[in-house]
Amino acid sequence: SQQGEEDPQALSIQEGENATMNCSYKTSINNLQWYRQNSGRGLVHLILIRSNEREKHSGRLRVTLDTSKKSSSLLITASRAADTASYFCATEGQETSGSRLTFGEGTQLTVNP
Amino acid sequence: GAVVSQHPSRVICKSGTSVKIECRSLDFQATTMFWYRQFPKKSLMLMATSNEGSKATYEQGVEKDKFLINHASLTLSTLTVTSAHPEDSSFYICSANTGTRAYEQYFGPGTRLTVT
Repeated sequence: SQQGEEDPQALSIQEGENATMNCSYKTSINNLQWYRQNSGRGLVHLILIRSNEREKHSGRLRVTLDTSKKSSSLLITASRAADTASYFCATEGQETSGSRLTFGEGTQLTVNP
Repeated sequence: GAVVSQHPSRVICKSGTSVKIECRSLDFQATTMFWYRQFPKKSLMLMATSNEGSKATYEQGVEKDKFLINHASLTLSTLTVTSAHPEDSSFYICSANTGTRAYEQYFGPGTRLTVT
């Protein structure tokens, strides 16, 4: 399966600033999810957005989805040092069988105190 | 709920030996489990899909004789890296499905394998 792309690959900001990460994918999807991974750890599910949704909020997270451009963005507002982690998008394709996820390359976010 | 564990969390082995990694769903039954491999600062690459009681489905390029997967019960899947070599050193992550959709996957904490 093809991997999606995320940009930027690395992002360094100051505490309190907003962080925006983008994800592009190649196939038609049922839904897209964002995950967080602390260094050397497993994945934590952040938010899911379905293909018929354009925007979703959860606390300080805001996710948008543009299926015409096959892209999504994750915005973290008022960032904290504890938000430092890698962030991945993952898509459930319409064509894939079963329940497979295809992951993007990830963005390494560093929030400096 | 929906907790997935992996054991061991970290393992170091010598070249040529085999290593078994366990993935357990602790509070739910998982009909499907997935095994991923992750290189440093890289994304997760799906290695295989494991269904309870049947043979695993491997992704293209993954050697099934090298990465043996056994899904013996609805709560346990194992990945055995046979005749390990230094290039097999990686972070291995499993996930388990609570249902039939991809968004119902829950991920384990990962296993760091180092082959010396």
